[in-house]
Amino acid sequence: QQPVQSPQAVILREGEDAVINCSSSKALYSVHWYRQKHGEAPVFLMILLKGGEQKGHDKISASFNEKKQQSSLYLTASQLSYSGTYFCGTESPSNTGKLIFGQGTTLQVKP
Amino acid sequence: DTAVSQTPKYLVTQMGNDKSIKCEQNLGHDTMYWYKQDSKKFLKIMFSYNNKELIINETVPNRFSPKSPDKAHLNLHINSLELGDSAVYFCASRNIDRNTEAFFGQGTRLTVV
Repeated sequence: QQPVQSPQAVILREGEDAVINCSSSKALYSVHWYRQKHGEAPVFLMILLKGGEQKGHDKISASFNEKKQQSSLYLTASQLSYSGTYFCGTESPSNTGKLIFGQGTTLQVKP
Repeated sequence: DTAVSQTPKYLVTQMGNDKSIKCEQNLGHDTMYWYKQDSKKFLKIMFSYNNKELIINETVPNRFSPKSPDKAHLNLHINSLELGDSAVYFCASRNIDRNTEAFFGQGTRLTVV
């Protein structure tokens, strides 16, 4: 079953922060985050493998709460280049290798 | 050097035709995938091969048949194309044994008329 992302869409001004959430009804083994710009392929941002793990990549970071089966992506001081659709992808412990994606969150950053 | 390459990038064809999409990866990954992205941008997993063996076969019409001649290639053949098959098809690869990220091809936009 696919993970559920929220919100579905976000509009920001440059410099503002955003949080995108990803929830699963199943136990999680890993959570991946990708960004896709219009007309392009999804591009990897980060992968989280352990419960409670947090990772950072420039001004983009993520957390993974294994108990709650949730992950959140944090975008701070957003830039125009952050615009795109963000997808979380999840794997369950019983089926590692099966990477399934949420429905996506569209982020638009305006000047 | 392109890591995951798909051909063709665009494919326009009539209903009822048979077509194939090819995918090659030069990353040495052990696993390859096919995903379908519809107009609502939902990335739906279709198939996955690990070391040439089919490991994921989602509920997909049997008109769709994947073939992996070797670890670096995964092709998708579609028979009797229907209007609803119009979408962007992405190939991806990764090393599941090393818990690494997926690399996506540039996508093939299939339009059935």
